[in-house]
Amino acid sequence: SQELEQSPQSLIVQEGKNLTINCTSSKTLYGLYWYKQKYGEGLIFLMMLQKGGEEKSHEKITAKLDEKKQQSSLHITASQPSHAGIYLCGADLGAQKLVFGQGTRLTINP
Amino acid sequence: DGGITQSPKYLFRKEGQNVTLSCEQNLNHDAMYWYRQDPGQGLRLIYYSQIVNDFQKGDIAEGYSVSREKKESFPLTVTSAQKNPTAFYLCASKNYNNEQFFGPGTRLTVL
Repeated sequence: SQELEQSPQSLIVQEGKNLTINCTSSKTLYGLYWYKQKYGEGLIFLMMLQKGGEEKSHEKITAKLDEKKQQSSLHITASQPSHAGIYLCGADLGAQKLVFGQGTRLTINP
Repeated sequence: DGGITQSPKYLFRKEGQNVTLSCEQNLNHDAMYWYRQDPGQGLRLIYYSQIVNDFQKGDIAEGYSVSREKKESFPLTVTSAQKNPTAFYLCASKNYNNEQFFGPGTRLTVL
């Protein structure tokens, strides 16, 4: 959706390195969702952020929502092969439904 | 086990045929959703239902139909009117915390 821009579209990092994926909206986000997807499979729920400035962590993955509630970042520390996949952000723009970014394909090189 | 199930995992359809994709959840969620995913793209909303016996069109509803007769079930029918139905279809449901969870998906291929 053009309402939600995700960057980069693809990312290749060396195992053990840190990385960041961004998700930007031109509208205020009522909720921002991060998901992970393996090819051909469903989406795995990672985190949901709702408050400006909110930050959540799950294992080595941290997500933040900026104070203006228009941008979110997903940060992975010390990446591992298990982190490889497609990361998708989804946004609640206030219409009881989510719009999604195009996804970021993450490859971890050993 | 609690969760969302979709069946079948793979589905092949001849042109001109209608097919129905199943989505069942035992999470007691009121809201359910159907999305379509095409290669290299994000998800696009087809239909959604906030409550039993009620549903709304999403962004790409043309050529699709749904029903919500039971809280647990939200089947999607891909009709012959859908011109490009080959895609990966994902069903989701949402809890009272607004967390949306997805099923494993159905890959539909038109022969």
